[in-house]
Amino acid sequence: GENVEQHPSTLSVQEGDSAVIKCTYSDSASNYFPWYKQELGKGPQLIIDIRSNVGEKKDQRIAVTLNKTAKHFSLHITETQPEDSAVYFCAASRGYSTLTFGKGTMLLVSP
Amino acid sequence: DAGVIQSPRHEVTEMGQEVTLRCKPISGHDYLFWYRQTMMRGLELLIYFNNNVPIDDSGMPEDRFSAKMPNASFSTLKIQPSEPRDSAVYFCASSLSRRWDTQYFGPGTRLTVL
Repeated sequence: GENVEQHPSTLSVQEGDSAVIKCTYSDSASNYFPWYKQELGKGPQLIIDIRSNVGEKKDQRIAVTLNKTAKHFSLHITETQPEDSAVYFCAASRGYSTLTFGKGTMLLVSP
Repeated sequence: DAGVIQSPRHEVTEMGQEVTLRCKPISGHDYLFWYRQTMMRGLELLIYFNNNVPIDDSGMPEDRFSAKMPNASFSTLKIQPSEPRDSAVYFCASSLSRRWDTQYFGPGTRLTVL
């Protein structure tokens, strides 16, 4: 089955810096890659996703890039703000299979 | 538009007791998923339904766990009898069939079994 590895497990940045979280996946047939943000005491919330027919997608300060050849995808957050502090999860799926999640990255943005 | 609703938000019970967790998916969504989240294992899919029918329950850890979806707007996850190792946060998520993998999560139920 699919295996998703996520790095780093924790990431500390200063406000205004950029943050990058990386994930690798094992199943070359995977074609959907969402990113979720989980704040303390809340459920994961979808923040951006990408399908395998595109290499990059942007939404304001966040972007996701996908390298199908290397089987990895990354989340980029620019101009980080304290409210970006949360746990971020990547996931992967193919066709009609289920989502496989990474173990999460705790992002801390210091003022 | 209301999101996924879960109840209770917190549940504390004693070992051996029956626990029932409840979920109301987003109106119109025809996929419903139950996940468990722990520090050690992360987010694990327990079971999912399509049009109220269980499709894959291979993630249900033991026979002590059962899930039902009697109608399109309600699902339950039951643990009987509960054990301390069942302590976790349980999430329900829903999605539309045309974008079934775009899942929307509820706030979760934090279960503590003493």
